[in-house]
Amino acid sequence: GENVEQHPSTLSVQEGDSAVIKCTYSDSASNYFPWYKQELGKGPQLIIDIRSNVGEKKDQRIAVTLNKTAKHFSLHITETQPEDSAVYFCAASRSGGSNYKLTFGKGTLLTVNP
Amino acid sequence: DAGVIQSPRHEVTEMGQEVTLRCKPISGHDYLFWYRQTMMRGLELLIYFNNNVPIDDSGMPEDRFSAKMPNASFSTLKIQPSEPRDSAVYFCASSAPGLARYEQYFGPGTRLTVT
Repeated sequence: GENVEQHPSTLSVQEGDSAVIKCTYSDSASNYFPWYKQELGKGPQLIIDIRSNVGEKKDQRIAVTLNKTAKHFSLHITETQPEDSAVYFCAASRSGGSNYKLTFGKGTLLTVNP
Repeated sequence: DAGVIQSPRHEVTEMGQEVTLRCKPISGHDYLFWYRQTMMRGLELLIYFNNNVPIDDSGMPEDRFSAKMPNASFSTLKIQPSEPRDSAVYFCASSAPGLARYEQYFGPGTRLTVT
């Protein structure tokens, strides 16, 4: 089955700095890679995703890049703000047919210091 | 839209008791997923349904766990008998038909403590 590794497990940055979280996956057939943000006491919330036919996707201050050859993808947050503090999860899916199963990384606790 | 609704939000029970967790997916969504989150194992998919039919239950840890989806607006996850190692946060998520089915929307979770 799919295995997703996520690094680092914790990340502390100063407000205004950039943050980068990296994930690798094992199944070369995986074709969908979402990122979720989880705030304390809440469920994960989808913030951005990328499909295997795209190398990079941006949405305001966040961007995701995908390298299918190397089987890794990254989340980039620019101009970080204290409200970006949360746990971030990457995931991978070999979607198709009736299979929409997500395999999650272990998460990264991001702390943005004011 | 009210989002995915889960109840109860917190459950404390004694070992050996039956526990039932409930989920109402977003209206119109045809996929429903049950996850368990622990510090040690992270987010694990337990089971998921499409149009009320279980598609993959390979993540269900053992026979003590069972899940049902009697209709499009309701699902339950039952643990009988419960054990301390079942303590975790259980999330329900749903996704819509078409291209949006890749996007899973999570509920607030049920924090289960088994003493």
